[in-house]
Amino acid sequence: SQTIHQWPATLVQPVGSPLSLECTVEGTSNPNLYWYRQAAGRGLQLLFYSVGIGQISSEVPQNLSASRPQDRQFILSSKKLLLSDSGFYLCAWSDFPGEQYFGPGTRLTVT
Amino acid sequence: AQTVTQSQPEMSVQEAETVTLSCTYDTSENNYYLFWYKQPPSRQMILVIRQEAYKQQNATENRFSVNFQKAAKSFSLKISDSQLGDTAMYFCAFMKPQQGGDGLTFGKGTHLIIQP
Repeated sequence: SQTIHQWPATLVQPVGSPLSLECTVEGTSNPNLYWYRQAAGRGLQLLFYSVGIGQISSEVPQNLSASRPQDRQFILSSKKLLLSDSGFYLCAWSDFPGEQYFGPGTRLTVT
Repeated sequence: AQTVTQSQPEMSVQEAETVTLSCTYDTSENNYYLFWYKQPPSRQMILVIRQEAYKQQNATENRFSVNFQKAAKSFSLKISDSQLGDTAMYFCAFMKPQQGGDGLTFGKGTHLIIQP
């Protein structure tokens, strides 16, 4: 069966520091991968998606970037964090087309 | 661009009652998918049910069923015999399948509380 992992689970970082969140999927090949952000009391907003290694599409302009160095690995990064980057970050995967399956998420607090 | 609207920020019902959560969406597409996701306090997003727009029959999954009205662009979720474990945020989501990327568009959610 397929599983999706995210780490770290919780992160507290000062403004201006770098960020790296990792997501890995097991039990499937060539999945579509997604990064979402959930601000407090709101729904999820799609940040990035990837249909293959090295292929990244951004949905909204922002201080973040994404990379897919391996088939089942998806990384969310920032060179300098802003206060507005705080939130709950969720990674998801899917086999096209169909429902998306989410990881446990990372709670990021920028201080 | 598609939009998804959930007009009920919070709902509260007694255990064993039936509850219906509302969702409307706006799209010019004819082929799409609709989903309901559940987010309990653990914040793990869990798929509850899916509906393909080309299917006229409403989807059902045990105690969960939907009322899909394509012309009205409405997609409500009915939970029968509600249980304490159903307490969670519920999100309605829209997806247009396309090879170049098919991210979900979410509503803002409904906080459902099941009272003992």
